[in-house]
Amino acid sequence: DGGITQSPKYLFRKEGQNVTLSCEQNLNHDAMYWYRQDPGQGLRLIYYSQIVNDFQKGDIAEGYSVSREKKESFPLTVTSAQKNPTAFYLCASSISSYEQYFGPGTRLTVT
Amino acid sequence: AQSVTQLDSHVSVSEGTPVLLRCNYSSSYSPSLFWYVQHPNKGLQLLLKYTSAATLVKGINGFEAEFKKSETSFHLTKPSAHMSDAAEYFCVLYNTDKLIFGTGTRLQVFP
Repeated sequence: DGGITQSPKYLFRKEGQNVTLSCEQNLNHDAMYWYRQDPGQGLRLIYYSQIVNDFQKGDIAEGYSVSREKKESFPLTVTSAQKNPTAFYLCASSISSYEQYFGPGTRLTVT
Repeated sequence: AQSVTQLDSHVSVSEGTPVLLRCNYSSSYSPSLFWYVQHPNKGLQLLLKYTSAATLVKGINGFEAEFKKSETSFHLTKPSAHMSDAAEYFCVLYNTDKLIFGTGTRLQVFP
């Protein structure tokens, strides 16, 4: 059963702690993406990777970090430097960047 | 600059009546455009895509969209709304190696 999985679905952290969100795909897609979604703002691109061991900053990369050591995995770390980390985070993958397939998302709450 | 504007943040319809969700775009070259749907606390699902072939594009669940270059529009329509259509809809523009998302339109369907 092919697809994109994100875990956990809900995540709670205290302010000042780093937290890592998981994203795994078994679609054999080269490209993977992380988006942040806030109410009324659509999706904003955080980081993307078009190939293993390479990634680029998106529009709102400050306070986030990623790695791409394996084709199927693209974890996102929300660091304590991110000023407003509470949001819904979506991972996507694509063969080309043209048509992206999305995971179910992780809702992160930082208090 | 490439951009997408969704003209309505909320649309309410009665079950069985037509749906119209409006989207205008700005692009300096021939655009590729998409509509995605997101049900509450879920990932995004592709409804349909325009890639410079036929200007009337049919998607899943009875939705369709018409590309009008003269009006720089890509409005989403459905002849008869169903309760299960209640969701958030995003108009998306492909730009180089990224997607540009509109801010979304929340569709409410009343019985």
